[in-house]
Amino acid sequence: DAGVIQSPRHEVTEMGQEVTLRCKPISGHDYLFWYRQTMMRGLELLIYFNNNVPIDDSGMPEDRFSAKMPNASFSTLKIQPSEPRDSAVYFCASSSFGGGSYEQYFGPGTRLTVT
Amino acid sequence: AQSVTQPDIHITVSEGASLELRCNYSYGATPYLFWYVQSPGQGLQLLLKYFSGDTLVQGIKGFEAEFKRSQSSFNLRKPSVHWSDAAEYFCAASGGSYIPTFGRGTSLIVHP
Repeated sequence: DAGVIQSPRHEVTEMGQEVTLRCKPISGHDYLFWYRQTMMRGLELLIYFNNNVPIDDSGMPEDRFSAKMPNASFSTLKIQPSEPRDSAVYFCASSSFGGGSYEQYFGPGTRLTVT
Repeated sequence: AQSVTQPDIHITVSEGASLELRCNYSYGATPYLFWYVQSPGQGLQLLLKYFSGDTLVQGIKGFEAEFKRSQSSFNLRKPSVHWSDAAEYFCAASGGSYIPTFGRGTSLIVHP
């Protein structure tokens, strides 16, 4: 398997623009997580899905952020409108907690810069 | 509240020296425990994990960790550090929900 795939790897946009980050989880994994990493706040869990259903979005910072998982092989994280404070590295991770495997598999991340 | 503490923000060691990174957790019961490594520009990669049984667990890249229930600790060790080990290291714990809580990370700097 190719692992968790994220696109784009880098995104530079201007304040007020819409940003869409994409993730393809590992095939067969039924959990998908979106994280944000910054120097100030470390690694923050934004939202996670189980079987394509959002379970906990309490980490989503505000209504400008939304996430969807239309099928088992694709998820998006959207920021509209974007602000400079959204600049961070966004990670997608997937897991399958059955069969005694409880670790997460992370993608390479998307580095977002909002100017 | 469940929490994971990595008390050292930065650790500097010389190449060839031994390494110990500290991790303490606060959970109602013994959680599942993990160490991940993040190299620059990359995502997190699992080094090792502890669920139950032998309290000394071996991982990839020559790392090991020891679970100590009495100290609520899960410290990561390596007997001889290589320059390529320079990275950010994250300790994580999860309970019945399997959703992990991550520590803030420890940045390892290796001097030649």
